[in-house]
Amino acid sequence: NAGVTQTPKFQVLKTGQSMTLQCAQDMNHEYMSWYRQDPGMGLRLIHYSVGAGITDQGEVPNGYNVSRSTTEDFPLRLLSAAPSQTSVYFCASSLVSGTRNTEAFFGQGTRLTVV
Amino acid sequence: AQSVTQLGSHVSVSEGALVLLRCNYSSSVPPYLFWYVQYPNQGLQLLLKYTSAATLVKGINGFEAEFKKSETSFHLTKPSAHMSDAAEYFCAVSGGYQKVTFGTGTKLQVIP
Repeated sequence: NAGVTQTPKFQVLKTGQSMTLQCAQDMNHEYMSWYRQDPGMGLRLIHYSVGAGITDQGEVPNGYNVSRSTTEDFPLRLLSAAPSQTSVYFCASSLVSGTRNTEAFFGQGTRLTVV
Repeated sequence: AQSVTQLGSHVSVSEGALVLLRCNYSSSVPPYLFWYVQYPNQGLQLLLKYTSAATLVKGINGFEAEFKKSETSFHLTKPSAHMSDAAEYFCAVSGGYQKVTFGTGTKLQVIP
């Protein structure tokens, strides 16, 4: 059971380039999310999805797009990379109980540097 | 809205001493609460969770936490620290918004 798989693990981009971070889960979880982790700021929610075809913004969505065409996949697109997007990105999935999330399962992270 | 406050970004304890990491939350509905641990260059993994059953929750590696509604707290404890406990710990809350909000994390240092 692979859980949550993120690719790539490391990426260096030039300012203005675009790229897609891939995330896939094999646990049939309806809820998937993307976070960025920066020193001293914890994990901040970028975008999330409560099911295929449904996405919504988190607290730091600017500069990022998502889509959810299948239950398994939830890619994160950086439209035009900026140095401020240098961060570690985590994808997570979980089941939902009513309006509350149960345990989240995290990928191993993508360390992105924008130069 | 929901939020989490972790007191102390860095905590140092001696090996064998009590570990106490503090977490206070706010939520407009009865919350689910979580503690996660992150080792260097790894993702987060669940230590324990409170989902409205027993208020004293036991997790992996000897950790436990107690949900105190009157104090809006969910502090993490371990009676005796091991060197392998050195990591960053995150408290998180899930309330009525289909989102999980994380605290800013506490780095635990264990001194031999």
